[in-house]
Amino acid sequence: GAVVSQHPSWVICKSGTSVKIECRSLDFQATTMFWYRQFPKQSLMLMATSNEGSKATYEQGVEKDKFLINHASLTLSTLTVTSAHPEDSSFYICSASYREAFFGQGTRLTVV
Amino acid sequence: GNSVTQMEGPVTLSEEAFLTINCTYTATGYPSLFWYVQYPGEGLQLLLKATKADDKGSNKGFEATYRKETTSFHLEKGSVQVSDSAVYFCALFMNRDDKIIFGKGTRLHILP
Repeated sequence: GAVVSQHPSWVICKSGTSVKIECRSLDFQATTMFWYRQFPKQSLMLMATSNEGSKATYEQGVEKDKFLINHASLTLSTLTVTSAHPEDSSFYICSASYREAFFGQGTRLTVV
Repeated sequence: GNSVTQMEGPVTLSEEAFLTINCTYTATGYPSLFWYVQYPGEGLQLLLKATKADDKGSNKGFEATYRKETTSFHLEKGSVQVSDSAVYFCALFMNRDDKIIFGKGTRLHILP
């Protein structure tokens, strides 16, 4: 089946720095990818829709200047958490669709 | 709008017990329905799916039937194991916009 690869799987960074998370569709082209955030013991919250070649569409309440999304090719979308703070610590998951949704492995971000 | 409602957890059962996790949905159109499983510290894995009414998805002893008349997709397993302890998410997928909508998740604990 289709594979979506997310990297890194975990990252620890200092408060105030930026972190980039990559999401790749390995065997299909994805014009649209999605970024989710999951707080401990909660469901997945859709943050934004990443559109190849155009601006991302953010869900209400998600700061677009804090969570920068770039979808420069049909197989790669990146999420950059800028000026990270401890409250940004979370599990971030990307997905891409090809007849169904395929998920990356997730990235656990810890900001210290 | 489209939505998914699943039973609140946590659900605690003894090994070899029968499992049912209820899931109902609201959707305009004809969604595909999924169950995803998330083991502790890991990302999401597709457990099973059904793409049209009356389809039955099955995997690893789990089953769910797409019931259009009751807008339900309940997850069942005849005899659970300790290794089934995880969080289970019911989800619907609309082909026209590639978005997947999750239920809030049900945490399952299986006691030996």
